[in-house]
Amino acid sequence: SQQGEEDPQALSIQEGENATMNCSYKTSINNLQWYRQNSGRGLVHLILIRSNEREKHSGRLRVTLDTSKKSSSLLITASRAADTASYFCATDHTGGFKTIFGAGTRLFVKA
Amino acid sequence: EAQVTQNPRYLITVTGKKLTVTCSQNMNHEYMSWYRQDPGLGLRQIYYSMNVEVTDKGDVPEGYKVSRKEKRNFPLILESPSPNQTSLYFCASSSPARNQPQHFGDGTRLSIL
Repeated sequence: SQQGEEDPQALSIQEGENATMNCSYKTSINNLQWYRQNSGRGLVHLILIRSNEREKHSGRLRVTLDTSKKSSSLLITASRAADTASYFCATDHTGGFKTIFGAGTRLFVKA
Repeated sequence: EAQVTQNPRYLITVTGKKLTVTCSQNMNHEYMSWYRQDPGLGLRQIYYSMNVEVTDKGDVPEGYKVSRKEKRNFPLILESPSPNQTSLYFCASSSPARNQPQHFGDGTRLSIL
C-alpha cells in the first residue's frame, strides 16, 4: 500500500518563483527522503530528513517535517527551468526495511 | 564511478517467455531493491535484499522472483511474464545503515505483449 502522498500532483510556475510540494504519510517513520526524476530517467536523491529533525536545507532546497501531522514539505526557491522534473517523497518506516514512495509531483518551470 | 547498472534498458517480449533483468552495483552496498513505476502510482517496491542470501517481499511481489548470491548483483526474474507486468523497473542500492539514501539505476522499460 502507498504511504506517501504528494500534493499537488502537478505544479506550473514561472522561473524565479518558489515551488512548494507537500507529502503526507500514514505510519511512524525513521526518515523521509525527497528524490527528483527527470523524464524517464532514474531517481536522484535530493535530501533526507530524520524523524527527529524538523527542518533541513541544501542549496535552494528546504525541507520541513512535522511528525505530529505526518507531513513534509519541499520548497525550491528561485526556481529555474532546469528544475522541471517529477519530485517524489519516500519514507522508511519504523519496524521494517521497506521504502514507500508517493505518486509524485510534476513540476514545470517556465522560462 | 559509483553506479547501479541495469540491463537491458529496453525489452519487448511476449507473454510467458521467461526473462531476467540484471542489476549490478559497484559501491559495496548491502541493501538492494527493485521497484516498478507505473503512471499515477509512483514507485512500488517489489523485493528488497538486506544482504547476500537475504531477500524479502515488498508491496507488489506477485509474479516476480529475485536472488542475491553475490553482494553486487540482484537480478529480477519474471518466470512467466504477463501484460500487467509492462512497466518501468528500477533497481536501487544503499548502505544498510538507517537514514541512508538510495542510488538508482537508469531503469528498464519492459513491454509484455
